Amino acid sequence: SAVISQKPSRDICQRGTSLTIQCQVDSQVTMMFWYRQQPGQSLTLIATANQGSEATYESGFVIDKFPISRPNLTFSTLTVSNMSPEDSSIYLCSAQYTEAFFGQGTRLTVV
Amino acid sequence: GQQLNQSPQSMFIQEGEDVSMNCTSSSIFNTWLWYKQEPGEGPVLLIALYKAGELTSNGRLTAQFGITRKDSFLNISASIPSDVGIYFCAGQNGNEKLTFGTGTRLTIIP
Repeated sequence: SAVISQKPSRDICQRGTSLTIQCQVDSQVTMMFWYRQQPGQSLTLIATANQGSEATYESGFVIDKFPISRPNLTFSTLTVSNMSPEDSSIYLCSAQYTEAFFGQGTRLTVV
Repeated sequence: GQQLNQSPQSMFIQEGEDVSMNCTSSSIFNTWLWYKQEPGEGPVLLIALYKAGELTSNGRLTAQFGITRKDSFLNISASIPSDVGIYFCAGQNGNEKLTFGTGTRLTIIP
């Protein structure tokens, strides 16, 4: 098992602003992932963040909107830029050890 | 992207009943995982399966890796109120990204 700490746990933001979500893991890991999830629905992968390389984005997600940093083997950030109400969602980070483990999520509401 | 088909989509059962849910894919996976998610929390890993035909238990939970490598099953015996949540299956090959199922929402009637 792994401990994955995400913050903030929730936030309410004004449209047009940006929010940076932090993800800290308790044990070094090469691969981290960022997901988006609408309440009650399945998870959608935004990007894969490997330390030492640029993030790889899934179709429909772009770096300008969701810049990701991965400065070391225990930390990553996801920024949601120039937010609109459509960005209201739950954002989850994940770390791939033998299995994938998840943070508790960040519930974002854009008003 | 691809999503795995989970059924049933939702279940309403009496406390003490057994629960069965399954997950099917059009492509094969080398690893199957089952997660449970409660409101306001991230998915929590319940069981991981690594070999076709494998049957693995974790307390009252039992999961099987289908022989074809295209499906998996999760059973919960003698359900209790804290079993409430959404259960997700996920398939994975190596360290590639997870492919998630659509989820099964479990509600337990006391």
